[in-house]
Amino acid sequence: SQELEQSPQSLIVQEGKNLTINCTSSKTLYGLYWYKQKYGEGLIFLMMLQKGGEEKSHEKITAKLDEKKQQSSLHITASQPSHAGIYLCGADITYGNKLVFGAGTILRVKS
Amino acid sequence: DTAVSQTPKYLVTQMGNDKSIKCEQNLGHDTMYWYKQDSKKFLKIMFSYNNKELIINETVPNRFSPKSPDKAHLNLHINSLELGDSAVYFCASSSGTGTYEQYFGPGTRLTVT
Repeated sequence: SQELEQSPQSLIVQEGKNLTINCTSSKTLYGLYWYKQKYGEGLIFLMMLQKGGEEKSHEKITAKLDEKKQQSSLHITASQPSHAGIYLCGADITYGNKLVFGAGTILRVKS
Repeated sequence: DTAVSQTPKYLVTQMGNDKSIKCEQNLGHDTMYWYKQDSKKFLKIMFSYNNKELIINETVPNRFSPKSPDKAHLNLHINSLELGDSAVYFCASSSGTGTYEQYFGPGTRLTVT
């Protein structure tokens, strides 16, 4: 979706390194969702952010929402091979739970 | 227990055929969705039902018809399949129509030959 831009498109990191994925909306965010998808599988819900400045963590994954910039970042600390996959951000931009999704970020972790 | 399930997981069929994909959720959610993920991995919403009523209907060909027999089920019927329909179709559900977490099924990979 052009309404949501994700960067980078792909990322290769060495195991143990930190990384950040960004998601920027061109419209007002009513909710920002992060999902992980493994190849050929469904989407695994990671986190949902609603309020500006909100930050949530799940194991070694932290997501933040900057309401003013209409942007969210997903940060992985000390990456592991199990973190590999496609990370998708989704956004509710109409307050009707009609999510639009970014193109995804492919993450590979080298061990 | 699988929260959101879809059948079949894979579907290979020829152009012109009619096929259905079934979705069931056991989360007690009121709202269910169909999404399409194309070969470039773009995920786009197609339909949404709340309490068996259609609430979101994106620009989707009339060949696609969702049906919700009850709150826990949302099926997708596709008539006269075309090559461009090849994609992965995901079902999802949420507690309501506001900003709620959406839980996705495993997807159905449809290949039209």
